[in-house]
Amino acid sequence: KNQVEQSPQSLIILEGKNCTLQCNYTVSPFSNLRWYKQDTGRGPVSLTIMTFSENTKSNGRYTATLDADTKQSSLHITASQLSDSASYICVVSEGGATNKLIFGTGTLLAVQP
Amino acid sequence: DVKVTQSSRYLVKRTGEKVFLECVQDMDHENMFWYRQDPGLGLRLIYFSYDVKMKEKGDIPEGYSVSREKKERFSLILESASTNQTSMYLCASTWGVPTREQYFGPGTRLTVT
Repeated sequence: KNQVEQSPQSLIILEGKNCTLQCNYTVSPFSNLRWYKQDTGRGPVSLTIMTFSENTKSNGRYTATLDADTKQSSLHITASQLSDSASYICVVSEGGATNKLIFGTGTLLAVQP
Repeated sequence: DVKVTQSSRYLVKRTGEKVFLECVQDMDHENMFWYRQDPGLGLRLIYFSYDVKMKEKGDIPEGYSVSREKKERFSLILESASTNQTSMYLCASTWGVPTREQYFGPGTRLTVT
């Protein structure tokens, strides 16, 4: 069964610190992997999207990595800010005819002053 | 900027009522999607549409129907609302291949009492 698992479920860090969120997937065939940020009570907003051939992509203080061999991805947040408090969702696209998106359940990040 | 809007941010309905959730996008996207989001379960696809008057069932279509009479508008209908349909409902749209980045609306928090 195609699945996307994220860890940790929740995380609390102090403002200014770095953190790394993990995403492991079993989706096959693979098309692409994306990270979304979802503020409380809002819709998800795309941070990065990576295809099979890309192993790192940055968006400001957010850097995503992808290891297609081990089927793992991480999202690194540098110098965290209070506004980074949100849920971060890993989404993997199935390749082939289905074009289906498989969503992780998200990591809830709280940045404290 | 792509804009996806949903008719209500918060909605409270009684069991048995017929409920309409509206979604409008302004970027001429062919593909539109309805998801529900529940704690610990991530986003689950209810229905999607590749074109006007086209609809396809997602993973959890039971108890829902959809309508797409115009390209920019995709409606989700709860024929007879039940308490287990209390959830956050998110609409999304994209163009071309559905695995492209999806743009999400702000969500509708529906409570069925």
